Amino acid sequence: AQSVTQLDSQVPVFEEAPVELRCNYSSSVSVYLFWYVQYPNQGLQLLLKYLSGSTLVKGINGFEAEFNKSQTSFHLRKPSVHISDTAEYFCAVTWGGQAGTALIFGKGTTLSVSS
Amino acid sequence: EAGVTQFPSHSVIEKGQTVTLRCDPISGHDNLYWYRRVMGKEIKFLLHFVKESKQDESGMPNNRFLAERTGGTYSTLKVQPAELEDSGVYFCASSQPGLAGVVDGQYFGPGTRLTVT
Repeated sequence: AQSVTQLDSQVPVFEEAPVELRCNYSSSVSVYLFWYVQYPNQGLQLLLKYLSGSTLVKGINGFEAEFNKSQTSFHLRKPSVHISDTAEYFCAVTWGGQAGTALIFGKGTTLSVSS
Repeated sequence: EAGVTQFPSHSVIEKGQTVTLRCDPISGHDNLYWYRRVMGKEIKFLLHFVKESKQDESGMPNNRFLAERTGGTYSTLKVQPAELEDSGVYFCASSQPGLAGVVDGQYFGPGTRLTVT
């Protein structure tokens, strides 16, 4: 069975500092990986995704993530965060399929950026 | 293009009452998903429609939950009778048909916060 572990429930950082949000997954089959962000009082917004090909994927708002198959990780990074990046971040996995399949989520990481 | 919309945004009901949540997906999205997040826990899958058919309902917690998608457009999720443990945020998501839906990803609504007292 597939599962996702987000190792940090809360990550406090100062503005303009770099940040890494960690995500590990377990799966016996090939998977597709996603990071979603939820700003206060909003729905989940797709940040970036890994489907195949280059292991370094770039997303919106300056975020990027690196897929590491040997370590079964998909960590999210940003070199310099802003106050506006304060939100909850979710790592998710699905195994695809022609008819679409459900996402399996981690528990989320709350990123708090302060000045 | 309008996103996924959900109604109501908040609902507070008493144990034993009935509540119906509604989700309007993005036009043209055949796939519609329901998820739930109980406080402190991860977002969990409830069920998946392809058009009006239930593709996967393995995440539905019990028979007090009934989901429908008449005509393959909007969907409703009814909880009857509601219990305290049903409290949480219910998310709806939609995606394009077939493999395009996986490639493009799922689009989420803002969620309905359900509180059962």
